[in-house]
Amino acid sequence: DTAVSQTPKYLVTQMGNDKSIKCEQNLGHDTMYWYKQDSKKFLKIMFSYNNKELIINETVPNRFSPKSPDKAHLNLHINSLELGDSAVYFCASSQGEGEAEQFFGPGTRLTVL
Amino acid sequence: GQSLEQPSEVTAVEGAIVQINCTYQTSGFYGLSWYQQHDGGAPTFLSYNALDGLEETGRFSSFLSRSDSYGYLLLQELQMKDSASYFCAVKMRDTGFQKLVFGTGTRLLVSP
Repeated sequence: DTAVSQTPKYLVTQMGNDKSIKCEQNLGHDTMYWYKQDSKKFLKIMFSYNNKELIINETVPNRFSPKSPDKAHLNLHINSLELGDSAVYFCASSQGEGEAEQFFGPGTRLTVL
Repeated sequence: GQSLEQPSEVTAVEGAIVQINCTYQTSGFYGLSWYQQHDGGAPTFLSYNALDGLEETGRFSSFLSRSDSYGYLLLQELQMKDSASYFCAVKMRDTGFQKLVFGTGTRLLVSP
């Protein structure tokens, strides 16, 4: 059973397009996250949701809009994609807010051409 | 703000012991986590230190000194499969909420 799953695994698209990434966790966790890992492997938090409520928004451009329809799901929609958005996006979950142990999904490699 | 420093790369041979250091500067500090990430894979949790001292989990141990803002991950009896990137991450409170802030990662190369 996959604990944290993401779709799609790969996403190749043109500048200016809009795309979405979906994430689901079956661990019963209250908190979910989106992280961005750039080409230098720097892993940075973007958003955190606790019980469907947005609690952390790390100065991410408003072209990025997360949505949590329920505790088990966290989606990320990106408008007007730019070259600099190319990265690996990881969804993660933890039992509570900001826990030291977080469970990461397999990642979505986004390439913007 | 916060900052974490780790060596960018460490090399070692199978069977050896390697130590990956992490120094940090942050306010609202709760503790230090370590994660492993293989190429093309997801970060996976290894350990967490909230208190000073050494925590041992099998071949891996992690140490924290809060007064020195310093920690390390110790890997013993290295195996080829330990070749990966290792990230330290501070658990901290910022604007009322807790979060993990990751270091830049240390690439460990284990050779035969």
